[in-house]
Amino acid sequence: DIQMTQSPSSLSASVGDRVTITCRASQIISSYLNWYQQKPGKAPKLLIYAASTLQSGVPSRFSGARSGTDFSLTISSLQPEDFATYYCQQSYDKWTFGQGTKVEIK
Amino acid sequence: EVLLVESGGDLVQPGGSLRLSCAASGFIFSSSWMSWVRQAPGKGLEWVASIKQDGGEKYYVDSVKGRFAISRDNAKSSLYLQMNSLGAEDTAVYYCATVYGAAWYYFDSWGQGTLVTVSS
Repeated sequence: DIQMTQSPSSLSASVGDRVTITCRASQIISSYLNWYQQKPGKAPKLLIYAASTLQSGVPSRFSGARSGTDFSLTISSLQPEDFATYYCQQSYDKWTFGQGTKVEIK
Repeated sequence: EVLLVESGGDLVQPGGSLRLSCAASGFIFSSSWMSWVRQAPGKGLEWVASIKQDGGEKYYVDSVKGRFAISRDNAKSSLYLQMNSLGAEDTAVYYCATVYGAAWYYFDSWGQGTLVTVSS
């Protein structure tokens, strides 16, 4: 089974900061990597699919990148509504989520 | 607008059974892969099961194989999850989600979730 290792598990940042979350796959998954945002008590929301394609309606401050089996989600300028938990997910061979990264207010 | 509404969550004793339902609207249900994802209290997301449009392919996470069964009724635009031999580790909010199956297989729409609590 494919394992997804996400880091960090949490981070503190201020509004306006640039934030990067990383996710490493245990084997090659091509670009079958998706990112989700989840706020407390709410369902997850798709942000990025295919490693770097922004879902319709998602602000352009979110971006995704791939380097081999390493993936990253970057928020270029953190906004108050971005404080949430973020999950990566591989969809290459069935599905696996990363452990999540909680982005908190510094 | 895509709408997914889960139901059937409840308090159940260890070893018991429960059937979850997901009513879908706003899209062509019979054309979409569907999935169940769960989230234990205070924990991360865990993919549980997925089913192809015609029900001909089904996939499960190892921890539920042989205990859970995913199914669908395209005539009723409904997705189901039959859960048997439930244990405390199955306590979670269960979400249904649409899967974009043409490529990339991401989960693009989610329901609000239904809570399953396994406890004596």
